[in-house]
Amino acid sequence: GENVEQHPSTLSVQEGDSAVIKCTYSDSASNYFPWYKQELGKRPQLIIDIRSNVGEKKDQRIAVTLNKTAKHFSLHITETQPEDSAVYFCAEYNFNKFYFGSGTKLNVKP
Amino acid sequence: EAQVTQNPRYLITVTGKKLTVTCSQNMNHEYMSWYRQDPGLGLRQIYYSMNVEVTDKGDVPEGYKVSRKEKRNFPLILESPSPNQTSLYFCASSLTAGRSTQYFGPGTRLTVL
Repeated sequence: GENVEQHPSTLSVQEGDSAVIKCTYSDSASNYFPWYKQELGKRPQLIIDIRSNVGEKKDQRIAVTLNKTAKHFSLHITETQPEDSAVYFCAEYNFNKFYFGSGTKLNVKP
Repeated sequence: EAQVTQNPRYLITVTGKKLTVTCSQNMNHEYMSWYRQDPGLGLRQIYYSMNVEVTDKGDVPEGYKVSRKEKRNFPLILESPSPNQTSLYFCASSLTAGRSTQYFGPGTRLTVL
């Protein structure tokens, strides 16, 4: 199956700093890339997504960039807050299926 | 309230005893999906359905069955559960496949002894 690699597996930042999580994928046919946030004991929730015809998308403190040539996409969180602490998953959509990264545990220290 | 529901939320069972986890959505979504979540592996898709009576295998379908007789329901069936199916299971739905927000259910924690 597809392989989505996600890095880093853990990330610790100081409140107010920025956090960047990167994912790479292998199939150039993939055309939709969502990011999910999962708080402890909760369900994953979509926070931002990007389609393959767009290079960047921003929603307040969250942005996603996509480099189709290099087959990687990144999540950027600016001005991090303690409530941003969670596990973040990237995913790719390819021929009706979703493939997820292994997750990044983000810890924002107050 | 728009939502995806799953039942049961917790289940402890024994090897070989058939079980069904129900999933229902009230948003008239076409695309529904089942995932399992295991530590360090992220979410892996088990089965998905593009619409009523249209289902297909995801990345890890072995040992599972699904059906989609009605648009709102997408049950997951384990005919003969084994300990390696101990996991956290999520159902999810979206209006269309690959273009709209995927909403997850609350999860079902399954333990197979």
